Amino acid sequence: KNQVEQSPQSLIILEGKNCTLQCNYTVSPFSNLRWYKQDTGRGPVSLTIMTFSENTKSNGRYTATLDADTKQSSLHITASQLSDSASYICVVSAGGTDSWGKLQFGAGTQVVVTP
Amino acid sequence: SQTIHQWPATLVQPVGSPLSLECTVEGTSNPNLYWYRQAAGRGLQLLFYSVGIGQISSEVPQNLSASRPQDRQFILSSKKLLLSDSGFYLCAWKGPSVISPLHFGNGTRLTVT
Repeated sequence: KNQVEQSPQSLIILEGKNCTLQCNYTVSPFSNLRWYKQDTGRGPVSLTIMTFSENTKSNGRYTATLDADTKQSSLHITASQLSDSASYICVVSAGGTDSWGKLQFGAGTQVVVTP
Repeated sequence: SQTIHQWPATLVQPVGSPLSLECTVEGTSNPNLYWYRQAAGRGLQLLFYSVGIGQISSEVPQNLSASRPQDRQFILSSKKLLLSDSGFYLCAWKGPSVISPLHFGNGTRLTVT
């Protein structure tokens, strides 16, 4: 069973509207959670990282939240733009001394912003 | 600044043919290097990772192999491609810290016919 579940699988929103993506995880012990944006045909790019002690972090119009107790994270996109059309991937890093971090990937949420 | 180069961008190969995908990193030394595969609508699947020259760890047993002949060079190979090898292959590097992000190349779209 995948240790990182994302919802919805896909969504369509009108330009200028807000949307929220969800990420639930069971990874333990937890180290950090990172959101990536992947444009079609390109490699993913990191948007933000959340560590255990952080609840909210913003990067421009992107705001990520983390509830480590319920093991849930969300990514909120404010005033969406056409360039926000992409797949958004939640990646959770397990704790441990291994330098490669035992990363667990969600399947991603495909966001389509329409004019 | 650090950059990662991956080529070719697209590749169409017949079943049974060999494969060689190359990835190089600039601007950093001793990076952790990774090969991922992404099937349509699926998450990224880790294929191989390397923490140093000649050190390769395989996550998924299959007909693919990887090599790291130089510190910043990572190669994905196959002697005989299968139809199931089709997909989007991504190379990435990461710093040693557990909070370091993955830096991805732009990927190779492989179609096995």
